[in-house]
Amino acid sequence: EDQVTQSPEALRLQEGESSSLNCSYTVSGLRGLFWYRQDPGKGPEFLFTLYSAGEEKEKERLKATLTKKESFLHITAPKPEDSATYLCAVRGGSQGNLIFGKGTKLSVKP
Amino acid sequence: NAGVTQTPKFQVLKTGQSMTLQCAQDMNHEYMSWYRQDPGMGLRLIHYSVGAGITDQGEVPNGYNVSRSTTEDFPLRLLSAAPSQTSVYFCASSPAGTSRTDTQYFGPGTRLTVL
Repeated sequence: EDQVTQSPEALRLQEGESSSLNCSYTVSGLRGLFWYRQDPGKGPEFLFTLYSAGEEKEKERLKATLTKKESFLHITAPKPEDSATYLCAVRGGSQGNLIFGKGTKLSVKP
Repeated sequence: NAGVTQTPKFQVLKTGQSMTLQCAQDMNHEYMSWYRQDPGMGLRLIHYSVGAGITDQGEVPNGYNVSRSTTEDFPLRLLSAAPSQTSVYFCASSPAGTSRTDTQYFGPGTRLTVL
């Protein structure tokens, strides 16, 4: 069965304290792994797409990496405005629809 | 471009009532989908469409109907609302139809409460 597991469920950081969020997945025929950011009361906002193991993408303080079994979202020197829930999703399987994890809620304190 | 728009933003229904959640996109995207988001659970796919006139079921389709008469619009109908359908509903769209390697872009959501 295709599935996505994100850890930790919640993460509290001090401003400037770097860390990583994990997304492990099981899917037949991966066609892409997606990271989204979701602020309270809003829809998910697209961050990155990764297609193959070894691929990395960066945007400001965020860097996403991909292996054959998991992806990491590294946050370097986070700021309070990085506080949000980060969602991971994979596209694969026979229908090719997105399968989402439950998300990691990140809180960055000043 | 407005992107993906959804109406209404909030809705309260009584058990047994019916209603339609509206979704529209102005990006000429072929693929559109509906998700629901519940506390402690990931986004779950309700229905999707790979183009006008074509729809299919997702993971949790029961109690919902969809149609796709135009490329722009993809309404979600609740036939007889139940408290279990209390949730936040998101519509999303992406450019491709069958290849589905494209990024999906989400609307702002509709918060539905069924009493």
